[in-house]
Amino acid sequence: DIVMTQTPLSLSVTPGQPASISCKSSQSLLHSDGKTYLDWYLHKPGQSPQLLIHEVSNRFSGVPDRFSGSGSGTDFTLKISRVEAEDVGVYYCMQSKQLPGTFGGGTKVEIK
Amino acid sequence: EVEVVESGGGLVQPGGSLRLSCAASGFSFAGYAMTWVRQAPGKGLEWVLGISGGGTSTYYADSVKGRFTISRDNSKHTVNLQMNSLRAEDTAVYYCAKGSNYYAYYYYLDVWGKGTTVTVS
Repeated sequence: DIVMTQTPLSLSVTPGQPASISCKSSQSLLHSDGKTYLDWYLHKPGQSPQLLIHEVSNRFSGVPDRFSGSGSGTDFTLKISRVEAEDVGVYYCMQSKQLPGTFGGGTKVEIK
Repeated sequence: EVEVVESGGGLVQPGGSLRLSCAASGFSFAGYAMTWVRQAPGKGLEWVLGISGGGTSTYYADSVKGRFTISRDNSKHTVNLQMNSLRAEDTAVYYCAKGSNYYAYYYYLDVWGKGTTVTVS
């Protein structure tokens, strides 16, 4: 299975400040079709997980533009340009290039 | 509105069985893969099983292979998860999620249910 490693485990951020989460995969997520199958999800307290970013850098419908994704191959980053109170929760990266899909361990974002 | 709703969770003894269901609405059900993801207490998300839109292809994590079975009824817009030989480590919230394509791979999970809790004790 492809192993997904996220850092840091947790992040405490002042509102209005930026935040960055790293995700590394044990194998390249670049497929021969030219797409890279790496997505980001946010699991807010008491809610179901929600899709933020798909295929590295594509914001899902309704996701604010303060969220952005970047990276290639095995190294990926999720950035929040200005953290807001509603952004608290656990962020997960997930690969779907190889079955079974695998999630990173999660990064918990809290507000200072 | 696109929606998936899980049901069937509960308390079961080790070695027992349970059947979860997921009812989907608001989209062309047979055109999309469906997936079950679980979260054990205090743990992260785990991709568990996936099924293609037509139901002919199914995929399992090693942790449930041989014990869990995923199926779907496209006429009823439902996905089922039959869980046998349950273990304490299967205790989790089980989420049903819609895939972005037909296949259950090379995809993302764009609609999630609220989850149903399974406790094996």
